Amino acid sequence: NAGVTQTPKFRVLKTGQSMTLLCAQDMNHEYMYWYRQDPGMGLRLIHYSVGEGTTAKGEVPDGYNVSRLKKQNFLLGLESAAPSQTSVYFCASRRLAGWVGELFFGEGSRLTVL
Amino acid sequence: KQEVTQIPAALSVPEGENLVLNCSFTDSAIYNLQWFRQDPGKGLTSLLLIQSSQREQTSGRLNASLDKSSGRSTLYIAASQPGDSATYLCAVTQGGSEKLVFGKGMKLTVNP
Repeated sequence: NAGVTQTPKFRVLKTGQSMTLLCAQDMNHEYMYWYRQDPGMGLRLIHYSVGEGTTAKGEVPDGYNVSRLKKQNFLLGLESAAPSQTSVYFCASRRLAGWVGELFFGEGSRLTVL
Repeated sequence: KQEVTQIPAALSVPEGENLVLNCSFTDSAIYNLQWFRQDPGKGLTSLLLIQSSQREQTSGRLNASLDKSSGRSTLYIAASQPGDSATYLCAVTQGGSEKLVFGKGMKLTVNP
């Protein structure tokens, strides 16, 4: 029972390089989220999706793009990485229901931009 | 803008104590409140979810309460154990939004 899986778990980039983080969930959840976690800043929402083919901006979207072509996958892209994007990135998902449901997180992807 | 606060930022206690962790939020128009646990280098694990119409939820040694009118939630941990050492975060789902707003967490250390 995989839940929410993030790849890669670790990555080192040089300034200006691009990369994509993949989040996959096997729980048939409608909602998916990308957060970043930084010391002293807590968790901040980058982008989110309320269903296949939809995306929306969160609190700190600049410098990131996302896509949700398939319901189970949510991709986070960095087109031109900057040192300020050094962080731990978490993907999360939850189902849509009468009650807003429990949030499930992946293990995180640690990104360092030199 | 919703703000979620957890005070203190860190707590160290001897094993066996009953603990109360606090979470406060500024806007009472929430759908629900969720408590999470995060171990070092790991993702967040959901502990308890309280819907806005509920007063409390229990799971094992954990009990979470919600008082929307005062903008407060508490997480009660009974008979704390060293394995309870982790960072605990609370988050609220804002009314009319799909987004969660997180507190910065409280780092708990339970000493044997």
